[in-house]
Amino acid sequence: AQSVTQLGSHVSVSEGALVLLRCNYSSSVPPYLFWYVQYPNQGLQLLLKYTSAATLVKGINGFEAEFKKSETSFHLTKPSAHMSDAAEYFCAVANFGNEKLTFGTGTRLTIIP
Amino acid sequence: DAGVIQSPRHEVTEMGQEVTLRCKPISGHNSLFWYRQTMMRGLELLIYFNNNVPIDDSGMPEDRFSAKMPNASFSTLKIQPSEPRDSAVYFCASSAAQGGFGYTFGSGTRLTVV
Repeated sequence: AQSVTQLGSHVSVSEGALVLLRCNYSSSVPPYLFWYVQYPNQGLQLLLKYTSAATLVKGINGFEAEFKKSETSFHLTKPSAHMSDAAEYFCAVANFGNEKLTFGTGTRLTIIP
Repeated sequence: DAGVIQSPRHEVTEMGQEVTLRCKPISGHNSLFWYRQTMMRGLELLIYFNNNVPIDDSGMPEDRFSAKMPNASFSTLKIQPSEPRDSAVYFCASSAAQGGFGYTFGSGTRLTVV
């Protein structure tokens, strides 16, 4: 069975500081990995995805994530936080041939002015 | 591309009434998913369809919930009778096959049962 664990349900960073949101996965086969963002009163929007090509994946809004097989991790980073990054972020995993995504419990990111 | 379209955006209903939520997936996507989101339980997968056929409905909470996908461009989620504990945001998402494409989510329906 596949699963993801997001460490930290709430993360606060100062504007301009590094954003690091943690995600560890469990999968019996090479996974597909995703980060989604949810702004208040909106649906989830795809930030970026890893599908077994380059291990460093760049997404929208300056975010990127690195797939590390040895650590079973797919952490999301952004060098400099902006106020507009305040949202909830979800990590998700899927396996090839199985369209079902398994989501983590989410991390709420707060940006301190 | 208009994305995944859900209606209504907001629904307020009285306990015991029937509620129908609607979803139009992205054209060409062959998988459709219904999720429920609450503060207490987070995102829960209720049911998903592949090529209009229900594949996994293990997340449907009880018999009061039912979902249909009569064709590739339309799906409904029905709650009958509704209860206050059904209050949540219900999301529909669609995807192409193989899992590597991820989902496209609709904007959700906020259901309040009073």
